[in-house]
Amino acid sequence: DTAVSQTPKYLVTQMGNDKSIKCEQNLGHDTMYWYKQDSKKFLKIMFSYNNKELIINETVPNRFSPKSPDKAHLNLHINSLELGDSAVYFCASSQPGQPQHFGDGTRLSIL
Amino acid sequence: AQSVTQPDIHITVSEGASLELRCNYSYGATPYLFWYVQSPGQGLQLLLKYFSGDTLVQGIKGFEAEFKRSQSSFNLRKPSVHWSDAAEYFCAVGRRLGGSQGNLIFGKGTKLSVKP
Repeated sequence: DTAVSQTPKYLVTQMGNDKSIKCEQNLGHDTMYWYKQDSKKFLKIMFSYNNKELIINETVPNRFSPKSPDKAHLNLHINSLELGDSAVYFCASSQPGQPQHFGDGTRLSIL
Repeated sequence: AQSVTQPDIHITVSEGASLELRCNYSYGATPYLFWYVQSPGQGLQLLLKYFSGDTLVQGIKGFEAEFKRSQSSFNLRKPSVHWSDAAEYFCAVGRRLGGSQGNLIFGKGTKLSVKP
């Protein structure tokens, strides 16, 4: 059983389009995260939700909108995609005081 | 500001040789510390963590790390490297939010290559 699963694994789309990435965890964790890994492999936090409530929102363009319908799911919707959005997006989850578990990532390529 | 520095961008070692990957952090309080490994096209796998207590921590795949508060370091070691250890290694600090762990702040990673 996959603990943290993301779909799709690959996403290729045109500039200006709107796309969503889905994340689900079956670990019963309360907190979920989105990280962005750029072309130089640098990982940076974007958002964090705890029990469906937004607790961390780093300086991310408001074209990015996370949505957590329940504590097992944290989706990421991106409007008006730009070339600079090309990256690998990782979802993660954790319980308080425990390490984060990561999904396999979604590789987003903007043409 | 909180930060993590991994001074070595790329390290090459021979199979069977020992390994040490360096990590220094800047954090105002006692940090949560982690090492993750990322194989090409894969997600991040936790190797080991330090929360408190014994400063020498053991992880999976024969890795260990030592927390040295005086040096603000958390270096990763392995006595004998295997070809399958070739990957990208990330050191991370976990922010504390109200006593719980917040998000991770990552170093820029060290790419490990293994020579046969």
